[in-house]
Amino acid sequence: KQEVTQIPAALSVPEGENLVLNCSFTDSAIYNLQWFRQDPGKGLTSLLLIQSSQREQTSGRLNASLDKSSGRSTLYIAASQPGDSATYLCAVSGNMLTFGGGTRLMVKP
Amino acid sequence: NAGVTQTPKFQVLKTGQSMTLQCAQDMNHNSMYWYRQDPGMGLRLIYYSASEGTTDKGEVPNGYNVSRLNKREFSLRLESAAPSQTSVYFCASGTFSTDTQYFGPGTRLTVL
Repeated sequence: KQEVTQIPAALSVPEGENLVLNCSFTDSAIYNLQWFRQDPGKGLTSLLLIQSSQREQTSGRLNASLDKSSGRSTLYIAASQPGDSATYLCAVSGNMLTFGGGTRLMVKP
Repeated sequence: NAGVTQTPKFQVLKTGQSMTLQCAQDMNHNSMYWYRQDPGMGLRLIYYSASEGTTDKGEVPNGYNVSRLNKREFSLRLESAAPSQTSVYFCASGTFSTDTQYFGPGTRLTVL
């Protein structure tokens, strides 16, 4: 059974700092890995999707990498802003989407 | 273009009552999903429908039933609600089962 773990569970940083969120998974037989953002009381918004054949994807200040062999992905956020405060979830796609528990990020002005 | 819509937004039930959560998408997606989100547990898949006319169990299907009414609509039914079903329920849709998924705003359900 696929298990997805995100570390840390919570993170607080000052505005402007670059930061890395981590995601690990136990079964490397995946189709893709996705990173989502969830604001309090809201649904999930897809940020980046990395196909299993890709190593990384970039969107603006976000960069996600994927190392299937080691079962790891990182989400890099450059020059963090208070508006980045949210919970970030990674999910791996096998027969179904399996989510990690999320990292709750607070960026302080 | 509304994306994925869910009704109701909030619901309080008593143990043993039944209810149906409604979900609709206007993106012409083939696949639709129901998840529940609990503190510290992340999102867990309840049921999914890979295409119109098919439904399959996910990770936590017990106590739930689903209906893929047509390509747009996918409903989740609780026949006899239990306090353990207190959760936030999300519906999602996607083009294919391996494609990105688009989520609705969620239904916050409390079972007393």
